[in-house]
Amino acid sequence: DSGVTQTPKHLITATGQRVTLRCSPRSGDLSVYWYQQSLDQGLQFLIQYYNGEERAKGNILERFSAQQFPDLHSELNLSSLELGDSALYFCASSPRLGQLSGNTIYFGEGSWLTVV
Amino acid sequence: GIQVEQSPPDLILQEGANSTLRCNFSDSVNNLQWFHQNPWGQLINLFYIPSGTKQNGRLSATTVATERYSLLYISSSQTTDSGVYFCAVSPGSARQLTFGSGTQLTVLP
Repeated sequence: DSGVTQTPKHLITATGQRVTLRCSPRSGDLSVYWYQQSLDQGLQFLIQYYNGEERAKGNILERFSAQQFPDLHSELNLSSLELGDSALYFCASSPRLGQLSGNTIYFGEGSWLTVV
Repeated sequence: GIQVEQSPPDLILQEGANSTLRCNFSDSVNNLQWFHQNPWGQLINLFYIPSGTKQNGRLSATTVATERYSLLYISSSQTTDSGVYFCAVSPGSARQLTFGSGTQLTVLP
C-alpha cells in the first residue's frame, strides 16, 4: 500500500459526459501528480500540483482540468468525454524537497475509466 | 524532452531463470525509479535509484548516471514476477516522471 488513495477504482460513463476522479496523497506529501495510461500512448504525465498551486503541465487536454485543495487532496475533472479517453488514471504524490526519502514518487492504484 | 528507452520490449523466461532489463535515458536526471505493474494494473515501486546500486531480495538495480543507463536484475524468477517493468526518470530540476515504454515479462511455470 503506497498510501495514495484514489476513488473511484472503476467508472463507466457515456461519451459527452463529465467525471471527477479524486486523490488523497500520502500523509505529509505536498506534491500531487496525475498520469494517464492508455494502450496507444503509454504512461503520460498530465499535471502536477504543489501545495495547492499548479507546478507543471504535461500532455493534458483542454477538456481536462485539475485542482488541489487546502487539505491537499486533488481532483481531476474530465469533461466532454470521448471514447479515446478510456484509460487508467493514476495519481501520485511525493514528499517535500529535502526529506530523507528524496524524490521518490508514490503511485495510487489508479482509476479505470471506460467511456462507452 | 527527455527520451527513455527500455529493452527488451518483451521477455519470456522459465521459472528460476535470471534476467537483466535495461533503461537508457537521453539527459541527466535527478530521479530514476523502477516500477512493476502487476496484472491488476497496480504500479509498485521497486527502486528509487538515481545513481549507484541497490538490492532488495531477488531484485537489484544499478544506475550509471554518467553513462545514462540503469539496469534491473531479477534473479531466480517466479511466476509472480510477471508483468510490465517500467523505468521512469525526472530530468534536470523537474520532479514529474517520464516513463519508458516498459518491458513485458512473462515467467512460465
